[in-house]
Amino acid sequence: NAGVTQTPKFRVLKTGQSMTLLCAQDMNHEYMYWYRQDPGMGLRLIHYSVGEGTTAKGEVPDGYNVSRLKKQNFLLGLESAAPSQTSVYFCASSLTRNTGELFFGEGSRLTVL
Amino acid sequence: KNQVEQSPQSLIILEGKNCTLQCNYTVSPFSNLRWYKQDTGRGPVSLTIMTFSENTKSNGRYTATLDADTKQSSLHITASQLSDSASYICVVSGPNFGNEKLTFGTGTRLTIIP
Repeated sequence: NAGVTQTPKFRVLKTGQSMTLLCAQDMNHEYMYWYRQDPGMGLRLIHYSVGEGTTAKGEVPDGYNVSRLKKQNFLLGLESAAPSQTSVYFCASSLTRNTGELFFGEGSRLTVL
Repeated sequence: KNQVEQSPQSLIILEGKNCTLQCNYTVSPFSNLRWYKQDTGRGPVSLTIMTFSENTKSNGRYTATLDADTKQSSLHITASQLSDSASYICVVSGPNFGNEKLTFGTGTRLTIIP
């Protein structure tokens, strides 16, 4: 099993460009999450999903959109990238909502110039 | 505001030595506390998950302790190995909160030198 797979692993964008990060999990998990990790800060939740066809806002949702058309995939989109969105993005999934262990992907490093 | 404070920010120890990392939290009420290991350039990997009723939990050479009264947790690493070099992240959850309400610490960066 691959677990949680993120693509791409690295991307450089110019301000105003758009892009989509793809997260795929093969563990049949209901819950999926997108986080960003910045130096000196803890992981912050951007958006999450509690099942296929659902999405919800996390702590820092502005400037991002998400979709979960299939249970195994969770897409994070940036419509008009800004330098403040330079970060490392992690996708995670869990089987249950409360005490379920989070399984993280390897991360996607995004630089916005 | 719920907070998770970790100390020290960074630590360097010799291979084979033991070390203890600290986590203080203000999340209240409290449900569970987790420790994750994050290798450089990789995603976090779960080490332990403890509920409020558990005082200690081990995973190989890693032992986590929890004092819910003082809102403190520690992660003890025994006989450190070079592969233990990583960041260790403390994560806290409140009751009735799902994973969407986790509070993450900023981590302790541990370096093991030969």
